[in-house]
Amino acid sequence: GAVVSQHPSWVICKSGTSVKIECRSLDFQATTMFWYRQFPKQSLMLMATSNEGSKATYEQGVEKDKFLINHASLTLSTLTVTSAHPEDSSFYICSAREDGTRYYNEQFFGPGTRLTVL
Amino acid sequence: GENVEQHPSTLSVQEGDSAVIKCTYSDSASNYFPWYKQELGKGPQLIIDIRSNVGEKKDQRIAVTLNKTAKHFSLHITETQPEDSAVYFCAASTDGAGGTSYGKLTFGQGTILTVHP
Repeated sequence: GAVVSQHPSWVICKSGTSVKIECRSLDFQATTMFWYRQFPKQSLMLMATSNEGSKATYEQGVEKDKFLINHASLTLSTLTVTSAHPEDSSFYICSAREDGTRYYNEQFFGPGTRLTVL
Repeated sequence: GENVEQHPSTLSVQEGDSAVIKCTYSDSASNYFPWYKQELGKGPQLIIDIRSNVGEKKDQRIAVTLNKTAKHFSLHITETQPEDSAVYFCAASTDGAGGTSYGKLTFGQGTILTVHP
């Protein structure tokens, strides 16, 4: 089956620092990747959509200069939280999709990354 | 944009009973409706999905029904087991329609299902 990994699984950082989260598709080509944020006991909120080699499309209210997304290859996307603050503490989840193929455009989710900003 | 409402927010059942979770959506263009199970500290896992060209789909103890006219879809779990306890999310998207909203999932608020032994 299609597997998506994320690294790290959890990270603690100081306020003002930047944190990079990696999302990898292990056995398929991730034509499109999505980044979500999930606060405790809440639903998943889409932050941005990225296509390999293109700039990410951000959802309304998401600061593109704060949440930098790079989808450099068909197996890797990164989310960098710049100048992190405590309010950025959340569970970040990526998903990946192999467009127009055997998977019928299904999104496969990573295990998530717990970010805590002190 | 799409709006998905999910009910109930919590559901408690005895082992062996059935559980039903309902969702409504607003965008008549939505044509793909997946259901996800999320365990604590993990990412969502697809458990079943349905496309708008069918009204019902079943996979062992899990079934999903779709009423396009009323814009609602439901998840049915029969013979529940304690390991079914988790948070369940419904979602809706326009799949294959092209454009900027292509494939974007809009999630419901989630249902915490607890199955008591």
